[in-house]
Amino acid sequence: RKEVEQDPGPFNVPEGATVAFNCTYSNSASQSFFWYRQDCRKEPKLLMSVYSSGNEDGRFTAQLNRASQYISLLIRDSKLSDSATYLCVVQVVGSARQLTFGSGTQLTVLP
Amino acid sequence: GAVVSQHPSRVICKSGTSVKIECRSLDFQATTMFWYRQFPKQSLMLMATSNEGSKATYEQGVEKDKFLINHASLTLSTLTVTSAHPEDSSFYICSALFGGGNEQYFGPGTRLTVT
Repeated sequence: RKEVEQDPGPFNVPEGATVAFNCTYSNSASQSFFWYRQDCRKEPKLLMSVYSSGNEDGRFTAQLNRASQYISLLIRDSKLSDSATYLCVVQVVGSARQLTFGSGTQLTVLP
Repeated sequence: GAVVSQHPSRVICKSGTSVKIECRSLDFQATTMFWYRQFPKQSLMLMATSNEGSKATYEQGVEKDKFLINHASLTLSTLTVTSAHPEDSSFYICSALFGGGNEQYFGPGTRLTVT
């Protein structure tokens, strides 16, 4: 079983649509959670951290359910520029502080 | 935000040669840097953790004699792919830990093609 699992997609949605991505992680010791965005042939960029209380940044809302070991990302009013691969990332905070990446969910927003 | 650079951005080399990739933290000191590899349509896989002044810690399945890592200063880590083969062709990305926290900043990546 992969440590971080995501639906690979692709998700093809029209502009203005709302789209949700899900992610599950297997290591119950994971303590920090993130969503990264990766454009084609580029490095990943941090989109937002994910907190147990849920957090929102503009059109993006992230949720974390520690009991279910489940993370979600909701994008509202999607834009063409949102087209990218969205990576779910977890971190077991300790001396190593390594990140474990999911395989990503590909999103294409269509005009 | 913190800036991490990588050089070169793209390299093509012949099978059997060695290639060195540099990762620099431009405006901060990084005692810890990470090296990842990403094959097409796959996620980033951690190869090794590079610690300034000490030996790198390699992930299971990554050959330390093939992927030489040197972290000689607080702003520079290098990855040398020795005796490269076509199956080493990949996107290599480094990241650096910012300050004493947990946030990693990524370099722009190096695309290696071995012919």
